[in-house]
Amino acid sequence: DADVTQTPRNRITKTGKRIMLECSQTKGHDRMYWYRQDPGLGLRLIYYSFDVKDINKGEISDGYSVSRQAQAKFSLSLESAIPNQTALYFCATGDSSSNEQFFGPGTRLTVL
Amino acid sequence: DQQVKQNSPSLSVQEGRISILNCDYTNSMFDYFLWYKKYPAEGPTFLISISSIKDKNEDGRFTVFLNKSAKHLSLHIVPSQPGDSAVYFCAANLEYGNKLVFGAGTILRVKS
Repeated sequence: DADVTQTPRNRITKTGKRIMLECSQTKGHDRMYWYRQDPGLGLRLIYYSFDVKDINKGEISDGYSVSRQAQAKFSLSLESAIPNQTALYFCATGDSSSNEQFFGPGTRLTVL
Repeated sequence: DQQVKQNSPSLSVQEGRISILNCDYTNSMFDYFLWYKKYPAEGPTFLISISSIKDKNEDGRFTVFLNKSAKHLSLHIVPSQPGDSAVYFCAANLEYGNKLVFGAGTILRVKS
């Protein structure tokens, strides 16, 4: 079984809809991250959390919110989706003892 | 303002030859650098890393070189294999906050 899972893997939605992307991990890591990937821009950090009670904005947090429901779960919400939020979204986990992050398989989101 | 730049969007190399992927950065507060490889429909996977106190790190066919004075690092793959064809992301860790900043990625194609 994968250590970092994301659901759904693909989603098509309409402008204005609320969307939630979910991430779960079995690695026992305390740190979790949400990124989006756009062509030519690499991965950009949306939000990150170093602990259950800790939430931090990343480089591009506008239009997004997150919830750290448990150490193993970190969800990303788009309250009112817009077309320029069409992208590939990745969840990642990390440990305080290492700089390495471990990524999930990604969610391809299309906002029409 | 992109703090981590991969100026070559793509690179094509013959099987058995050397692949050299380059990365430049602007922030002197980066203390650790990582390379990730990404196949289509998968999340990025960690490949190799280097601390800012070193100038070389080698792992099998992969070697990363760091030139701090030039704020430049490179990934060498020798010999290149068709299975190395993927997108390669350079990432840098900020000394404070434990966040990774990614470059835009370079598509490597190894021709057989």
